[in-house]
This record gives sequence, C-alpha cells and structure tokens, in this order.
Amino acid sequence: DIQMTQSPSTLSASIGDRVTITCRASQTIHSWLAWYQQKPGKVPYLLIYKASRLESGVPSRFSGSGSGTEFTLTISGLQPDDFATYYCQQYNNYSWTFGQGTKVEMK
Amino acid sequence: EVQLVESGGGLVQPGGSLRLSCAASGFTFSDYDMHWVRQTRGKGLEWVSGIRTTGDTYYAASVRGRFTVSREDATSTVFLQMSSLRGDDTAVFYCTRGPPAGIWFPFDVWGRGTMVTVSS
Repeated sequence: DIQMTQSPSTLSASIGDRVTITCRASQTIHSWLAWYQQKPGKVPYLLIYKASRLESGVPSRFSGSGSGTEFTLTISGLQPDDFATYYCQQYNNYSWTFGQGTKVEMK
Repeated sequence: EVQLVESGGGLVQPGGSLRLSCAASGFTFSDYDMHWVRQTRGKGLEWVSGIRTTGDTYYAASVRGRFTVSREDATSTVFLQMSSLRGDDTAVFYCTRGPPAGIWFPFDVWGRGTMVTVSS
C-alpha cells in the first residue's frame, strides 16, 4: 500500500502569511494527488487535483505543485476562512490513501 | 443539486453487522465510481472501499474480508455491508463520488456522513 506522509502536523500562521504544506508518497504516484480542506463539523472539500489543478470555485491563493513522490500545497496570503485541516490524497492505480492531515491554526 | 445522503449508521456490538446506504441524486449515478471514506472522532480520513461503474470493487486492508460494497444503479444507491465489526471501526462513514468512467479524478462530492459506533 502507498503511504502518504504530511508535514507539519500543525502549523501556526497569521493572516496574510504564505503557508506551505508538504506531502510525501512512499512510492511514485506520478501526479495523481489531491488536496482537501476540512473545517470542524464539515465534510472535506476538494481544492486541488492532479497535483496542481485548481477545482472550480477554489480561490487562486491556493496552489499545488510536485510530481512523483513530493508535493506541496501553498496558500499565498492566508485568509480567515483558511484556518482548517488540510489533507493530501493519492489516487494512483486503483489505490487511494490520505495523509494524516495538517491543521492550520491562528498564531 | 448533486447530493449524497447516507443512512444506516448506529450502535452495534462488537462482532455485529450493519448495512450503510447512500442515496445519490442530481447526477447520472451509473456513470460514476463511488467510494466510502471514514473518519474517527478528531482523527484523519481513511479510505475504506470503492466500487467502479463496472462493478469492480476495492477495499482497504483493514476491512477486506469483513466489508462488502455494492451498488444499485436503478435506485442510485451504494451500499456498504459491514460484518465482524470491531471497536476500531467506530467512525463517521462518508459516501463520496469518485470519477466518471474512464476519467482519473479524486472525490468531488461528499455526503454528510453517518456515525457507526461499535461498543458493548
């Protein structure tokens, strides 16, 4: 099974900060990586697919990059609505695995 | 409006069984793969099972042999039959929409979830 490791587990940041979250796969997943945002009491919300493609309606301050085994999610100019937990997910070759999540909290 | 509504959760004793249902609406159900994802209280997401439009099924190692996923395109419903339930199966179970046939895409629609509690 492919393992996904996110870092950091928790990130403290302020409004306007540039935030970067990393996700590593235990083997190559090419670009089959998604990022989700989840707020307390809410369901996960798809932000990015195929490593770097923004889902419709997602603000442009969110961006993704990477391929193979190393991926990043960047929030350029953190907004109050962005404090949440973020998960990466690989969906390569009939296999699906989530990272353990990164909580973005207010500094 | 695209919608997924889960039902069937509840309290069950260890070793017991439960059948979850997910009713889909607002899209052509038969064109899409469907998946189940669970989340323990305060913890992360775990993919549980998926079923393709072809009927091919996939399971996480933690549930293989105990859970069975199925779909009924005529009623736009996906099911998760769970047996030999254990305490660590306690979680909110989400129904999610996978990609349409022939497309490689993650889960873009999620239900609100149904709680499964395994306890004596």
